[in-house]
Amino acid sequence: AQSVSQHNHHVILSEAASLELGCNYSYGGTVNLFWYVQYPGQHLQLLLKYFSGDPLVKGIKGFEAEFIKSKFSFNLRKPSVQWSDTAEYFCAVRRDNYGQNFVFGPGTRLSVLP
Amino acid sequence: SAVISQKPSRDICQRGTSLTIQCQVDSQVTMMFWYRQQPGQSLTLIATANQGSEATYESGFVIDKFPISRPNLTFSTLTVSNMSPEDSSIYLCSVEDRGGPSYEQYFGPGTRLTVT
Repeated sequence: AQSVSQHNHHVILSEAASLELGCNYSYGGTVNLFWYVQYPGQHLQLLLKYFSGDPLVKGIKGFEAEFIKSKFSFNLRKPSVQWSDTAEYFCAVRRDNYGQNFVFGPGTRLSVLP
Repeated sequence: SAVISQKPSRDICQRGTSLTIQCQVDSQVTMMFWYRQQPGQSLTLIATANQGSEATYESGFVIDKFPISRPNLTFSTLTVSNMSPEDSSIYLCSVEDRGGPSYEQYFGPGTRLTVT
């Protein structure tokens, strides 16, 4: 079965701190990788995605993620967080050419203290 | 990108009743998906709904409990039948955009269901 894990359930940071949220998946083959964000009271929005090419992907709002195939990882990073980054972050994986389904990780709640 | 609306945005229902959730997209899409997000948890796919065919349900979800309609390329409904408190959740509609070489899913705002 497809499995996506996220390392942290809840991360608390102060403003200007650096952020790294871990994401690992459990199968080989070609995958498409995504990070979604859900701000309080809002619906899911795409932060960034990886399909092929440069494994370092830049997304919106200063976020980036690095795909490391050998580690089955797709960690999300931001050098300096802001209070407005407080949200729930979900990693998602889609196996290329294997059905239509996205599999979501359990989510990491980020709280940024002003 | 696709803009998705859902109705109702929230509802409180009594156990044993049924609720139908509507999902409207502002463009024609082939694939529509229904997810459940239980309190404090991630998204779980309930079913995939293609226009003109029966919905495909994921393991643990059955048509009798979650009947789905997909009458055209911009609309779908999910019914939560014979509800129990365990069905309290946020139900999300999403569509897949296959424009270009990559895939992306867009999500509706969700329907927050509380069953008492």
